[in-house]
Amino acid sequence: GDSVTQMEGPVTLSEEAFLTINCTYTATGYPSLFWYVQYPGEGLQLLLKATKADDKGSNKGFEATYRKETTSFHLEKGSVQVSDSAVYFCALTHGNRDDKIIFGKGTRLHILP
Amino acid sequence: DAGVTQSPTHLIKTRGQQVTLRCSPKSGHDTVSWYQQALGQGPQFIFQYYEEEERQRGNFPDRFSGHQFPNYSSELNVNALLLGDSALYLCASSLLLGTGENEQYFGPGTRLTVT
Repeated sequence: GDSVTQMEGPVTLSEEAFLTINCTYTATGYPSLFWYVQYPGEGLQLLLKATKADDKGSNKGFEATYRKETTSFHLEKGSVQVSDSAVYFCALTHGNRDDKIIFGKGTRLHILP
Repeated sequence: DAGVTQSPTHLIKTRGQQVTLRCSPKSGHDTVSWYQQALGQGPQFIFQYYEEEERQRGNFPDRFSGHQFPNYSSELNVNALLLGDSALYLCASSLLLGTGENEQYFGPGTRLTVT
């Protein structure tokens, strides 16, 4: 079945460092891909999405490119801030009549001042 | 505009008991999905309700059941609670569109602890 695999955390970086969180997927057809963020004590928030191959999703300085040839959707940010500390989830859906979200296990990110 | 709301925030139950969790969708949304997030894991899809019917279901036993009301709000019921049911239960709402581009908005969750 469909699945999402993302790098295990925690990932600890200093403020202003470059961030990459790897994500690969296994799915039939052409899924839509997402990154969600979960701040401490809160629910999930959609960070960015891409719905077709070579699309780049971006938001709040984060970006990820839908790479069908490598079945990947890595999350990147050029300069992280302490406020970016959270858990990040890579996810996919097939949309249309089957829109349940399949999540990866999450990557906890700690940013040190 | 209120987003997705869930109640209660926290709940402690004993093994074998039954629990009901509630969700009110974002204004204008007609579809509610429920997810279980165990500690340190990603959310797992339980089921989705649309037009008061269960539309999709994940790999969860029949102990997990739900309901959607005419005002689109929803309940998740879990019977015969097990220790392994301890988790954060997330509700997500969306507007079902023919295009499939129906973004889901998540509530803050209900933390269930089974002792």
